[in-house]
Amino acid sequence: DTAVSQTPKYLVTQMGNDKSIKCEQNLGHDTMYWYKQDSKKFLKIMFSYNNKELIINETVPNRFSPKSPDKAHLNLHINSLELGDSAVYFCASRVWREGEQFFGPGTRLTVL
Amino acid sequence: SQQGEEDPQALSIQEGENATMNCSYKTSINNLQWYRQNSGRGLVHLILIRSNEREKHSGRLRVTLDTSKKSSSLLITASRAADTASYFCATDGFDQGGSEKLVFGKGTKLTVNP
Repeated sequence: DTAVSQTPKYLVTQMGNDKSIKCEQNLGHDTMYWYKQDSKKFLKIMFSYNNKELIINETVPNRFSPKSPDKAHLNLHINSLELGDSAVYFCASRVWREGEQFFGPGTRLTVL
Repeated sequence: SQQGEEDPQALSIQEGENATMNCSYKTSINNLQWYRQNSGRGLVHLILIRSNEREKHSGRLRVTLDTSKKSSSLLITASRAADTASYFCATDGFDQGGSEKLVFGKGTKLTVNP
């Protein structure tokens, strides 16, 4: 069984479109994250939720809006996509303030 | 910035040799973690060392932490072709706003040649 899953795995879309990425974890964790990995493999945190509450919101454009309907799910909606949004987006989860994070397989977003 | 910096950026060795990767960081931390990322895949946690620990072992992995120098090293012994991947250190600590988060370094790309 996949611990942290993301859909879709690949997303190719035109500039200006709106798209969503979904993440689900079946580990019983209470904290979930979105990370962005750029073309140089640099991984940067975007958002963090604990028990459905937003606790970290890095300097991310307002076009990015995360939503956590419950502890096991964290979605990311992106409005008005731009070329610079092209990257791999990773979801991760862990027990609140306890060590290792478990990562999903990533969603490769390509904006044309 | 809390960001870790790995060194070297790339490392190519022969199977059976040892691989050493280093990580330096700038602020105080709760722990430091190492992750591996195979090409096109997600990150996999390898090992965590707490700020009050100096050395930790897990199988063929050995991690050291020197908080006075704000540095860590990851040693992979008797490397195998399957160890080929990118390796990231990540520091776990509190930012200026009091939020706890992992901050990743830029990674070391390890190639183990058969």
